[in-house]
Amino acid sequence: QVQLLQSGAEVKKPGSSVKVSCKASEGTLSTFGLSWVRQSPGQGPEWVGAIIPVLGTKDYAQKFQDRVTFTADESMTTIFLEMKGLTHDDTATYYCARGRPQGGFDPWGQGTLVTVSS
Amino acid sequence: ETVLTQSPATLAASPGGSVTLSCRAGQSVSTHLAWYHQKPGQAPRLLVYGASTRATGIPDRFSGSGSGTEFTLTISSLQSEDFGVYLCQQYFDWYSFGQGTKLEIK
Repeated sequence: QVQLLQSGAEVKKPGSSVKVSCKASEGTLSTFGLSWVRQSPGQGPEWVGAIIPVLGTKDYAQKFQDRVTFTADESMTTIFLEMKGLTHDDTATYYCARGRPQGGFDPWGQGTLVTVSS
Repeated sequence: ETVLTQSPATLAASPGGSVTLSCRAGQSVSTHLAWYHQKPGQAPRLLVYGASTRATGIPDRFSGSGSGTEFTLTISSLQSEDFGVYLCQQYFDWYSFGQGTKLEIK
């Protein structure tokens, strides 16, 4: 089955922005409902939001809707999460994951560690 | 947001034994609940969805049950690869996750 391949680790300063990518190992992501989930060290995962590239629909968790933007490239093989106004609390591993119609997320990307440090 | 509370936070068990993990929802999520297993440095792996349906390739040692607000995951004949963190997730009201139960080797 398709795998989700994410971009590498990032180190950012407080107040800056970060952009994380998630690419399909084969084919496109166009018909997938893809979620972004983050997990701070030692914590449970937190849903950031979701995008369906072929429909152009984007849903953001209320906590993030002012700071996060989801996009997809024209080929719909890669999606992106951009988060601005980073603080130390945004230090986390960010995952993309496919939402299955039957329920649950599978597969997941390998995760991208974003460290916010002054 | 629907809050999921998992218990216990940590659990120690012996290989060959069995354990039951709990996930309680702050409001009814019907059977829109999934369970995951996560090992250090890895993404969560889907075990169960629809509260009780095993995902592809998951052995029948894993058994999920419950509906509404109370859910359990039972793991029998524990093997070394079963240790790690177990997470529950609801997908009735958008998405939310529990804080996890860490299963350790006794």
